[in-house]
Amino acid sequence: SQQGEEDPQALSIQEGENATMNCSYKTSINNLQWYRQNSGRGLVHLILIRSNEREKHSGRLRVTLDTSKKSSSLLITASRAADTASYFCATDAYSSASKIIFGSGTRLSIRP
Amino acid sequence: DGGITQSPKYLFRKEGQNVTLSCEQNLNHDAMYWYRQDPGQGLRLIYYSQIVNDFQKGDIAEGYSVSREKKESFPLTVTSAQKNPTAFYLCASTNKGQVGYGYTFGSGTRLTVV
Repeated sequence: SQQGEEDPQALSIQEGENATMNCSYKTSINNLQWYRQNSGRGLVHLILIRSNEREKHSGRLRVTLDTSKKSSSLLITASRAADTASYFCATDAYSSASKIIFGSGTRLSIRP
Repeated sequence: DGGITQSPKYLFRKEGQNVTLSCEQNLNHDAMYWYRQDPGQGLRLIYYSQIVNDFQKGDIAEGYSVSREKKESFPLTVTSAQKNPTAFYLCASTNKGQVGYGYTFGSGTRLTVV
């Protein structure tokens, strides 16, 4: 079962533009995380936002969380070629947070 | 440097053969996980372990087995009962004691049935 679903599935933008990806989930959560995956590699943890937080920043990343709509967004500002990757949201499925469930991902391509 | 090591990077399996994927971490993390990723797809949870000598099935455990005899190691065996094992396998760990801590991933093992 997949808890989170990303939108869009694929996104292509010009270098320097901002990229926005969205994630929707189904059940109550303790926290939501975003990960990046370069082609053929493992995932890298980007940022975690707790259910009682509404916005969080890390460098060029901005994450928002709306628990009433069960949705989150990841904004990458001033995109670079190195940002080309797949981005996944992940949520804990149970109150014990013993495991996280990943969405299907957004494939981001940055055109030079 | 601390991290997770998965080996081998590439693995080829013949029909009817069992193979074991290695996952070792030196992060002193309590919890370890195995995920499967098919092309263009997200990650699906196979098995996870929160403590030594204990593990739980994930969403797609059929045809797989694991053990957790040491805190540092969480090997995954793909058995002949797994009918479509060709995929990218990712191991991850996290510090269970720190609520909401991010996961650290290995670089993955690509398994192909020949």
